[in-house]
Amino acid sequence: TQLLEQSPQFLSIQEGENLTVYCNSSSVFSSLQWYRQEPGEGPVLLVTVVTGGEVKKLKRLTFQFGDARKDSSLHITAAQPGDTGLYLCAGATGGTSYGKLTFGQGTILTVHP
Amino acid sequence: GAGVSQSPSNKVTEKGKDVELRCDPISGHTALYWYRQSLGQGLEFLIYFQGNSAPDKSGLPSDRFSAERTGGSVSTLTIQRTQQEDSAVYLCASSLAGQGVYEQYFGPGTRLTVT
Repeated sequence: TQLLEQSPQFLSIQEGENLTVYCNSSSVFSSLQWYRQEPGEGPVLLVTVVTGGEVKKLKRLTFQFGDARKDSSLHITAAQPGDTGLYLCAGATGGTSYGKLTFGQGTILTVHP
Repeated sequence: GAGVSQSPSNKVTEKGKDVELRCDPISGHTALYWYRQSLGQGLEFLIYFQGNSAPDKSGLPSDRFSAERTGGSVSTLTIQRTQQEDSAVYLCASSLAGQGVYEQYFGPGTRLTVT
């Protein structure tokens, strides 16, 4: 069973601060995705990382996939109240279960104005 | 364009009753997934349909849970003899199939409350 451990589980910060969310596993993933979810809605895909060591930037968000493809991080620079939400990482293993994603338990981010 | 839709958005049922939850995937998406999410938590995989292949049912928590996908499009998740621990948000997602990464697009979910 593949498990993804996300940390921290809760994060409460002031507007303008930086933060990092971590996603770790003992398993290797063929790709890893980050989602953001707001109350009453389904998760929305932010980014997919595929190559070990890959770094992707989306405005103030920076995503990194570990060299061994077992871990990932999400860094937000100068957080804003609009960044508030549940952030989820999800790993795909490929093979016969190609489409099946394993989700982390999520990080609830609250950015105070 | 239309995204993934789910119905009903909310369902309150009495313990022991059966419920059916519906998912309409994005047109042309051949892969469809069901997940369960408890309050503020991550997603628990339930079942995965991919084209005409046999579904991956490995995440269904008990034989009270079943799902079908008719005509490769609409899917129904059925929970028989509901229990209070079945209360959760049930999310459906769909994706394109083929080589490469499966990027999933989620519906808004059905909030199920078993009283």
